[in-house]
Amino acid sequence: SQQGEEDPQALSIQEGENATMNCSYKTSINNLQWYRQNSGRGLVHLILIRSNEREKHSGRLRVTLDTSKKSSSLLITASRAADTASYFCASMNTGFQKLVFGTGTRLLVSP
Amino acid sequence: NAGVTQTPKFRVLKTGQSMTLLCAQDMNHEYMYWYRQDPGMGLRLIHYSVGEGTTAKGEVPDGYNVSRLKKQNFLLGLESAAPSQTSVYFCASSKHRVATLGSSSTDTQYFGPGTRLTVL
Repeated sequence: SQQGEEDPQALSIQEGENATMNCSYKTSINNLQWYRQNSGRGLVHLILIRSNEREKHSGRLRVTLDTSKKSSSLLITASRAADTASYFCASMNTGFQKLVFGTGTRLLVSP
Repeated sequence: NAGVTQTPKFRVLKTGQSMTLLCAQDMNHEYMYWYRQDPGMGLRLIHYSVGEGTTAKGEVPDGYNVSRLKKQNFLLGLESAAPSQTSVYFCASSKHRVATLGSSSTDTQYFGPGTRLTVL
């Protein structure tokens, strides 16, 4: 399988705490993306980091990329109950045509 | 601007029946994709299209066929449904990829709300 893996599979934290999710992928990439999925809904794009970038920020999101380890992490700072969702990483291969998704991390943020 | 829409939202089939899932996008995107999502497995690519009249196989294409007769529509067909095809199906689209690397924002995929299919 080409699928990447995410760690942890599930994460439960309190509001205000930070949440960190890790992702590993298998092939050479052009970019890596993170998506969010609320229960019963489609995926929504959060942030994209290119293969020549090491860190990127967007609001409360911080993404890192280590191409030597084929890994990425997503940090959500000062989490809110509304951040409760599943988060997926997706790697874009160097052929630019397909995204390969990870298995996802289920995040639960309690008030 | 509706984005990506999928029809139907829910469907129950008996083994051996056929059906077609319709995906439509109004963003003039070149690329369209069909995924299936199963518990604990994330999304897996079934088929995709890089333009009107073109289709290509993804990771799990067996048992499915697709057509892209119009740029805005991408159809997924199940000719003889099997219980193993019980899943949630998502369609997605993305802009045309341009030659310059500086346009990686075109790689963002926009997803539909999903179709929940049960095959008995």
